[in-house]
Amino acid sequence: AQSVTQLDSQVPVFEEAPVELRCNYSSSVSVYLFWYVQYPNQGLQLLLKYLSGSTLVKGINGFEAEFNKSQTSFHLRKPSVHISDTAEYFCAVSGGGGYNKLIFGAGTRLAVHP
Amino acid sequence: SQTIHQWPATLVQPVGSPLSLECTVEGTSNPNLYWYRQAAGRGLQLLFYSVGIGQISSEVPQNLSASRPQDRQFILSSKKLLLSDSGFYLCAWTRLALSSYNEQFFGPGTRLTVL
Repeated sequence: AQSVTQLDSQVPVFEEAPVELRCNYSSSVSVYLFWYVQYPNQGLQLLLKYLSGSTLVKGINGFEAEFNKSQTSFHLRKPSVHISDTAEYFCAVSGGGGYNKLIFGAGTRLAVHP
Repeated sequence: SQTIHQWPATLVQPVGSPLSLECTVEGTSNPNLYWYRQAAGRGLQLLFYSVGIGQISSEVPQNLSASRPQDRQFILSSKKLLLSDSGFYLCAWTRLALSSYNEQFFGPGTRLTVL
């Protein structure tokens, strides 16, 4: 069965600093990986996804992630964060068995300080 | 373009009362539909998914149920709410996958507080 571990529950960072949000997964089959962002009291918005091909995936709002099969990781990065990036970030892996089911991590709260 | 709606946006209900949350999708047909619950400070837990009218799969046994009376309508219900049912309920949809996985698109959510 698939599972996702987000290694940091909270990440504080100063504005314009770089950030990395870590995500590790376990799966016995080929995976599809996603990062979503959730602003307070809102639904989730897709940042980026990895289905196949290049292991470096670029998404919206300047975010990117790198798929590392040997380390079973899919870490999210941004070279310079803004106050508006303050939100909850969720890593997800395809659940297998069809039906586009996703298994989500517990989330990482990114807090950007001025 | 496709849009997904959820209502109500917020709900406060007493323990033991019934529940009905509604989700509708516009601009697509035959979507896969999903209900998630997000407890305070926790990730998303998949509750139900549906691949067609009247077809419901439950992921977690609980006192909640789901129904899909129309192609683009998904309803989450309970006969008697528990305190532990409090949380943020999210509906999502995805296109029918033919060869690879498609991302899920989420609604704005319903915040349920059971007192």
